[in-house]
Amino acid sequence: DTAVSQTPKYLVTQMGNDKSIKCEQNLGHDTMYWYKQDSKKFLKIMFSYNNKELIINETVPNRFSPKSPDKAHLNLHINSLELGDSAVYFCASSQKDGTGGNQPQHFGDGTRLSIL
Amino acid sequence: AQRVTQPEKLLSVFKGAPVELKCNYSYSGSPELFWYVQYSRQRLQLLLRHISRESIKGFTADLNKGETSFHLKKPFAQEEDSAMYYCAPPLPVDSNYQLIWGAGTKLIIKP
Repeated sequence: DTAVSQTPKYLVTQMGNDKSIKCEQNLGHDTMYWYKQDSKKFLKIMFSYNNKELIINETVPNRFSPKSPDKAHLNLHINSLELGDSAVYFCASSQKDGTGGNQPQHFGDGTRLSIL
Repeated sequence: AQRVTQPEKLLSVFKGAPVELKCNYSYSGSPELFWYVQYSRQRLQLLLRHISRESIKGFTADLNKGETSFHLKKPFAQEEDSAMYYCAPPLPVDSNYQLIWGAGTKLIIKP
């Protein structure tokens, strides 16, 4: 009964390809996120998606596009992969509490993307 | 802008020694802050939150409004505490979509 699940866990592909990473949460949360963790372990928010409202971080190249078919899913599609895209990508979700604040985020296991 | 700062990228202490991971925040009011931990090649997971005032795995963290800090402490470090630690508010960005997570501190416990 994994709370936040990402597939695949490992993704090895060549430069220029298009790939997708899927994320599903079964916690009933209303907000989902995508993070990129580089080799120095710096965690960078890429997208935040709340009840079909997308918040975009402007530093993310438009080759990256999130797609949310429903509240429980937030997939990440990447076009024309580049060497610099090699990283671990984490999906997370959270929920507002009764007072309008935000509960802690729950993270997936991560997807290790390697570009050859 | 709201910011969370972890001034130490790397902290190395001996087993049994006290540990303090620093976290400072720059926004006013009563912030809500969490500490997340990431063990080697694992997911990030919540370690503790300031409003719970609990001790998890021997770690505690107190919100100090005067110093605008939320340092993570443990009196006696254990080897299994080696991990990446992130200090963060509930949301990863502020209203201007600027990242406000801490950059993380890598804790190494030497035997």
